[in-house]
Amino acid sequence: QSVLTQPPSASGTPGQHVTISCSGSSSNIGSHDVNWYRQVPGTAPKLLISSNNQRPSGVPDRFSGSKSGTSASLAISGLQSEDEADYYCATWDDSLNGPFVLFGGGTKVTVL
Amino acid sequence: QLQLQESGPGLVRSSDTLSLTCTVSGGSISRTSFYWVWIRQPPGKGLEWIANIYYSGVNNFSPSLKSRVAVSADTSNNQFSLQLTSVTAADTAVYFCAVGWIQKGHASFDIWGQGTMVTVFS
Repeated sequence: QSVLTQPPSASGTPGQHVTISCSGSSSNIGSHDVNWYRQVPGTAPKLLISSNNQRPSGVPDRFSGSKSGTSASLAISGLQSEDEADYYCATWDDSLNGPFVLFGGGTKVTVL
Repeated sequence: QLQLQESGPGLVRSSDTLSLTCTVSGGSISRTSFYWVWIRQPPGKGLEWIANIYYSGVNNFSPSLKSRVAVSADTSNNQFSLQLTSVTAADTAVYFCAVGWIQKGHASFDIWGQGTMVTVFS
């Protein structure tokens, strides 16, 4: 089964720019849109970015997404204390075992 | 605005079947533009997708869980359900239901339930 790889942690001071990567393969990120979710521990995840770079209503424009080849990134500009959370990428995979949804392992963002 | 609420037993005996229901309000589960989703999260771990349920009946399942998962939709009660057979301690998790819009792709889950904790005991 394919895997989406994210760094386990990322951090920055208030106001800094933080980027989280999500690496996959041709059967997932290389062929399909990437979505990002934000989860504050103890609560349900929320959709943060859809279709690689689309922000749902209510998501601050400090959050942006991009995709190139078999990798995607989530960028947080002007980091704020409330951005402390876990962030997950997700996409569709249509390899031999598929089709199915893959989540990345998650990245914990800490605001120093 | 759609709202989803999971329900089911919080404790399940090992080797038994885990059964959960997601009740949908604010919209019909019969709308063909939606698909319905089950996702779980073991304590302290990441998200694991379980299944997408489509009105067409052509559903998709996690390859690692496919042999033990069954899903269904009850349009009269506006609910959809998950059954996971032969559970073990590894199935202990918070189980979430969610909804996506087909036009936004099959991994874009716009609205989530609050989640329900299920513990498997022996």
